[in-house]
Amino acid sequence: EAGVTQFPSHSVIEKGQTVTLRCDPISGHDNLYWYRRVMGKEIKFLLHFVKESKQDESGMPNNRFLAERTGGTYSTLKVQPAELEDSGVYFCASSKRQFSTDTQYFGPGTRLTVL
Amino acid sequence: SQQGEEDPQALSIQEGENATMNCSYKTSINNLQWYRQNSGRGLVHLILIRSNEREKHSGRLRVTLDTSKKSSSLLITASRAADTASYFCATRGSSNTGKLIFGQGTTLQVKP
Repeated sequence: EAGVTQFPSHSVIEKGQTVTLRCDPISGHDNLYWYRRVMGKEIKFLLHFVKESKQDESGMPNNRFLAERTGGTYSTLKVQPAELEDSGVYFCASSKRQFSTDTQYFGPGTRLTVL
Repeated sequence: SQQGEEDPQALSIQEGENATMNCSYKTSINNLQWYRQNSGRGLVHLILIRSNEREKHSGRLRVTLDTSKKSSSLLITASRAADTASYFCATRGSSNTGKLIFGQGTTLQVKP
């Protein structure tokens, strides 16, 4: 079974540009999560999809971030326009159910650098 | 921050020694989980302990949970060089939210 995959693995962009990150969850996992770790800080929750619906987007930092999951399969996270403080590692995770004991399986992350 | 500190932030030991990492949290929890992250890789789930459990074992891992002190510890016994990684605790709240709240992590280096 393939794990969670993320693309690209690294992205370097200029401030003000747009970047789109992609996450492919494990097949059959209805729940998809985005997290990020900015330099030196803890990993923080961004949002949670159940199928194509946003279950919880309380962690989205501002309206420069837009997450979509059309069709309930893969998800994209767009940052437009990117700012310096957006640099960090963006992780995606998926789980079959959203019960509290369900394991979230993480992808390798996308390292975003905004110059 | 909703999560407390992980202690120590960095730990360096020799192969064969035991490594203990601590985690504190601030809110009431349903469970607490430990994850490992090898450099450049994703987080790997290690072990989950429910709020009504005090201790749990999995192979060379031992986790304790003290809900009165809002703290947990992860013990890795007989460490190996391959255990070199960052270790994070993460909590799930009392509601049925999918959100994990992470600590800042402990970076463990095991020298061969």
